[in-house]
Amino acid sequence: AQSVTQLGSHVSVSEGALVLLRCNYSSSVPPYLFWYVQYPNQGLQLLLKYTSAATLVKGINGFEAEFKKSETSFHLTKPSAHMSDAAEYFCAAGGGYQKVTFGIGTKLQVIP
Amino acid sequence: GAVVSQHPSWVICKSGTSVKIECRSLDFQATTMFWYRQFPKQSLMLMATSNEGSKATYEQGVEKDKFLINHASLTLSTLTVTSAHPEDSSFYICSAPSDRVGNNEQFFGPGTRLTVL
Repeated sequence: AQSVTQLGSHVSVSEGALVLLRCNYSSSVPPYLFWYVQYPNQGLQLLLKYTSAATLVKGINGFEAEFKKSETSFHLTKPSAHMSDAAEYFCAAGGGYQKVTFGIGTKLQVIP
Repeated sequence: GAVVSQHPSWVICKSGTSVKIECRSLDFQATTMFWYRQFPKQSLMLMATSNEGSKATYEQGVEKDKFLINHASLTLSTLTVTSAHPEDSSFYICSAPSDRVGNNEQFFGPGTRLTVL
C-alpha cells in the first residue's frame, strides 16, 4: 500500500518569499504523484502531476515540483509567494483507476 | 479538461433523514467513480469505488448499508446517506478517472457539504 507524508501541517511565508511544501511518498514503485490546492469550502484544483515523463514538473500559478526517486520526495515550490496562494495544499499518489491516497494537507499562510 | 459536477453543492438535513448526492461526468464517460469524504481540518479519505453495472466496493470501516452507491449510467453515480446523523456531517467529493488512454488523472467534483442537524 502506498502512503503520502506531508511534513508540516501549517507553513507561513512572507509575501514574495520562497514557498516550499514537502511531500514524501512510500511505494514499491514510483507512483503517479499530484499536488492539489483547495480553497475554503471548495473542491480540489490540480496544480501539477508527475507521470515519469520528466522529473521537474511545472504547474499552474508558478508552482513546480521535483520528483526525486532517491529521496522518495515530490516537494512543491514557488519562487515568490503571493497573497492569493494562501490555501490548503494536498500531495497525493495514485490516480487513473486506482484510488488516490492523500497526504494530511499543508495549510499555507502568506504574510503581507 | 474534463468536468465532474456534483449536486447539491450543500445540503442541510435533520437527523434520521436520507440524503442523495449526485456525481456526473459532463463530457466523458466514467465506468468508475470514487467517493471521498473530508472531515473538517482533515484530509480526504476514500469511502468507496463506484462501478457502472456492478456493486460498489467499500473501504474498510465504511458501512455499505448506510452509504448506498448506485452507478446508474456511464456518466452518473449517486451516493445516498441513509438515516443521517450529525457525525455524517462532512464534505463529500467524487472523482472520475480520465477516459483517455495514458492519462492517469482523476477529475474531482466541486464537493457537497452535508450538515446533519
